[in-house]
This record gives sequence, C-alpha cells and structure tokens, in this order.
Amino acid sequence: GAGVSQSPSNKVTEKGKDVELRCDPISGHTALYWYRQSLGQGLEFLIYFQGNSAPDKSGLPSDRFSAERTGGSVSTLTIQRTQQEDSAVYLCASSLLGPTSGGIETQYFGPGTRLLVL
Amino acid sequence: DQQVKQNSPSLSVQEGRISILNCDYTNSMFDYFLWYKKYPAEGPTFLISISSIKDKNEDGRFTVFLNKSAKHLSLHIVPSQPGDSAVYFCAAGVAGTYKYIFGTGTRLKVLA
Repeated sequence: GAGVSQSPSNKVTEKGKDVELRCDPISGHTALYWYRQSLGQGLEFLIYFQGNSAPDKSGLPSDRFSAERTGGSVSTLTIQRTQQEDSAVYLCASSLLGPTSGGIETQYFGPGTRLLVL
Repeated sequence: DQQVKQNSPSLSVQEGRISILNCDYTNSMFDYFLWYKKYPAEGPTFLISISSIKDKNEDGRFTVFLNKSAKHLSLHIVPSQPGDSAVYFCAAGVAGTYKYIFGTGTRLKVLA
C-alpha cells in the first residue's frame, strides 16, 4: 500500500517481557517519527529519525525503550521488560523531508499498534 | 504541564449545523498549528494548518481561527456531516522543527 504500515496491530504481553513494534514508512520519506498515546492523553513524541543522521531520542521515557531504523526505511521500536504503564497505542509517522524552514511538514501516520501489558 | 489543551473531551452536533472545536496553548514560541482527524483503528490524518502570521485559514467546510493574544485556536466545520464524526487533535509546534505537541483530542459526533 501507499501509506504507513505498522505491525502488529495489537499486542498483548506479560509484564517483564520484551516487545518489538514495526513501522514501514511511505517509500521515499526520509523522516520517521514514533509517538505514544496513553489512555486519555495526547500523542507523546518518542523519537525522530532523519535520513542517516543520529536520531533524536529525547522523548523516550526510559532506557527500556530503544528504536532503530535500518537502511533509512523500516523502523523497529523495542520495549524491554515491559511494565503495565507501557500499555498504549504506539503510532509511527513519516514525512518526506523532515523540518522545513517555511513551516512544519505534514506527517503521515500509520494505524498504530495497540499494546497491552498484563 | 500540558502545553496544548483541548478542554472538551466530546461534542455532539446536529447534521448541517456548525461544529466548533477549541484548543488552547501556553507556549508563546509556538508559531505553527495543525488539526488532525482520527477515525477508530486508523492513524490521525492531517486536516488543516495555520501559521502564526495568519489568523484564519479556510479549506472547504473547514476553517481554523487563531487568536495569538489569547493563545487559542478553533476549528469550525460547517455544515457538519455524519462522516465528520471522529476524534480531532490539535497540535502546535515551532516552524523548522519536527516536534509537535498534541492535545488530548475532542470526540465529535455528528447526529443525522
């Protein structure tokens, strides 16, 4: 498809287990973003990748969270030793170029992965 | 400290009437604002944006108004249609950066 895809769409795991969430951005988009939406909260920025530059990890809530982007395309968000407070919808977005001097580029979102930690 | 607030979690409007969704922000550095619409089980989709150099931007049935002195923006949908029923998020950021701050969303229900 032409849009951002994410897998799995739903994930139920036990506390303490590791999970991997995958994002396939729109082909040709150089910028990739991960967000989290916890119940009753807005979208919370987690991490930003731009081309081959070092990612901005400033939004990651703890060192249990990590992400990588291989070959400038697919990205994986890994949560180690999951906790119940990690339960949320994890959204990935991509944009063509990233920041622009004239404004903010439209980000295209995937459908999200709904994570439930029991 | 929530920098972008949508104080109405839900709103119901009759079909054909105007829907007004509100958003307040606290950071005066924000100079670019966006509205996203989200249907269940889908990601948010971009709807309309406005730069701080403007106080109004219109796109079809959707108009966004920005009041910089009040740090307030609103999205007007007229006439409202049942297909507009969704969660609407406002977001704010600084031009030339990539970090949006999102509000918590307002669930709009348009009644046929």
